[in-house]
Amino acid sequence: QQPVQSPQAVILREGEDAVINCSSSKALYSVHWYRQKHGEAPVFLMILLKGGEQKGHEKISASFNEKKQQSSLYLTASQLSYSGTYFCGTALQAAGNKLTFGGGTRVLVKP
Amino acid sequence: GAVVSQHPSWVICKSGTSVKIECRSLDFQATTMFWYRQFPKQSLMLMATSNEGSKATYEQGVEKDKFLINHASLTLSTLTVTSAHPEDSSFYICSARESGRDTEAFFGQGTRLTVV
Repeated sequence: QQPVQSPQAVILREGEDAVINCSSSKALYSVHWYRQKHGEAPVFLMILLKGGEQKGHEKISASFNEKKQQSSLYLTASQLSYSGTYFCGTALQAAGNKLTFGGGTRVLVKP
Repeated sequence: GAVVSQHPSWVICKSGTSVKIECRSLDFQATTMFWYRQFPKQSLMLMATSNEGSKATYEQGVEKDKFLINHASLTLSTLTVTSAHPEDSSFYICSARESGRDTEAFFGQGTRLTVV
């Protein structure tokens, strides 16, 4: 079953923060976050494997609450390059399992 | 980092013809590859899981006779869209994860198929 992402879209001014949420109705083994620019393939941001784990990539970080079956992606001090559509992908089982993607969150960062 | 190469990046074909899309893992072995389909402004919808040396596993609602998948080696999976129709026009993306590792899924560049 597809995870649910919210919000569907967000508009930011450069330097502002945003949070994107990803919720699943099933127990998760891992959560993956990707960003996709128009007409391009998704680009990997980070993977979270353990409950409560937090990871970061520059000023983009994420958390994974295993008990709540939720993950959140934090865009801090957003840059113009952060614009794109963010997808969370969830895996129900261990290594090599397929990812099911959420509906996506479109982010637009304006100057 | 690991790279997945997908070819072609775009193709235009006539209704009724078949189109083959290739997905290669360039520097790692992938016993499993995944084929997704994406419509404009929508999410990536998993079509099937390609298993090396065995039959692919198709998601519910995906016609296996229309979307033929072959995973002949540990580095190559192909998707053939048979008897293509305009409604098959879409962005097709493959991905692969290194076998036995909890790593990210690496995506190919995607193939934009237009059926006229």
